[in-house]
Amino acid sequence: DGGITQSPKYLFRKEGQNVTLSCEQNLNHDAMYWYRQDPGQGLRLIYYSQIVNDFQKGDIAEGYSVSREKKESFPLTVTSAQKNPTAFYLCASRVTGNSNQPQHFGDGTRLSIL
Amino acid sequence: DAKTTQPTSMDCAEGRAANLPCNHSTISGNEYVYWYRQIHSQGPQYIIHGLKNNETNEMASLIITEDRKSSTLILPHATLRDTAVYYCIVAGNNRKLIWGLGTSLAVNP
Repeated sequence: DGGITQSPKYLFRKEGQNVTLSCEQNLNHDAMYWYRQDPGQGLRLIYYSQIVNDFQKGDIAEGYSVSREKKESFPLTVTSAQKNPTAFYLCASRVTGNSNQPQHFGDGTRLSIL
Repeated sequence: DAKTTQPTSMDCAEGRAANLPCNHSTISGNEYVYWYRQIHSQGPQYIIHGLKNNETNEMASLIITEDRKSSTLILPHATLRDTAVYYCIVAGNNRKLIWGLGTSLAVNP
């Protein structure tokens, strides 16, 4: 089935450790996005990419890094510089050819600090 | 991008229509209205979107007022599985979605 796959579903990080969250899509979408959601809050944009080998910072990029080497993949690294990484992380993608097409989401990765 | 105002919570009886309102009084001419829902611990699910005409799909109907300053999402026959947080978002060509807190809909048996 076509869709967006995020892995792992749950992830634990030790203090001072970098961790990478995976996001893969087989929808042939050009644009991909990473959001963070904290309890009782709306989603906040971390990074987004409109095309391979290009990405832009969102509203809360500090302490995070991304890469976009393949159209299907947009991994997010949560670095040790992110002091409050515990959150629910969501990846999305969409077609860019038609500007009104919606974003579609994966099922998220829940990151916790040990 | 325009921001939206939604009620914090709503209740609906199973089998009845759920009508979820959204105010977006500062919407611009090229901005669309999108509706998503999120069931606990899952990713948001796209429901429907529109510009100025009413829209209907297999999940819901979207009614946008003529002045485009408000809209209503209608779930025609709500089921227990429709219990979720519903987000109304307006976005234009720059594609940045600004997420509020949404409406928590409880469908009661």
